[in-house]
Amino acid sequence: DAGVIQSPRHEVTEMGQEVTLRCKPISGHDYLFWYRQTMMRGLELLIYFNNNVPIDDSGMPEDRFSAKMPNASFSTLKIQPSEPRDSAVYFCASSFGGSGYEQYFGPGTRLTVT
Amino acid sequence: ILNVEQSPQSLHVQEGDSTNFTCSFPSSNFYALHWYRWETAKSPEALFVMTLNGDEKKKGRISATLNTKEGYSYLYIKGSQPEDSATYLCAFSNTNAGKSTFGDGTTLTVKP
Repeated sequence: DAGVIQSPRHEVTEMGQEVTLRCKPISGHDYLFWYRQTMMRGLELLIYFNNNVPIDDSGMPEDRFSAKMPNASFSTLKIQPSEPRDSAVYFCASSFGGSGYEQYFGPGTRLTVT
Repeated sequence: ILNVEQSPQSLHVQEGDSTNFTCSFPSSNFYALHWYRWETAKSPEALFVMTLNGDEKKKGRISATLNTKEGYSYLYIKGSQPEDSATYLCAFSNTNAGKSTFGDGTTLTVKP
């Protein structure tokens, strides 16, 4: 398996623009997680899905952020409108099973909002 | 909010030294404890998942122990090598629901 795939790897956009980050989990995995890494807050969980259903979105910073998982092999994280403080590395991870199983992380998307 | 603390925040050792660091977590409602290795400019990579009190896991020169009753886990690296330089994260779960709370990590630098 190719592992968790994220695209794009780098995104530079201007404030106010819409940004869409994409993730393809490992085939067969039933959990998908979106994380954000910043210097100030470290690695923080934004939202996670189980069997394509959002389970906990309490980490989503505000209404500008939304995430979908239309099927088992694809998820998106959208920021609209983007702001400079959204600049961070966004990781997607997947796992087979719940908390007792390891998560496999994608390579991340480095987002810069100018 | 679950409090997961790692210490020390950073560690500098010489090649060949053995080292260890700590992850502290709530001692009630334990489900699982994960250790990850995170190299600069890469993504976190799973090392161990531990679910039972007294668990000991080993992978090469790296090993981990778990004490759920007192709420801590130790990660040991024997004979550190420069390629061990990375940030080591622990993540705690109190349910099977999938969600883990990550600590801030211990950054290890091994000097040749």
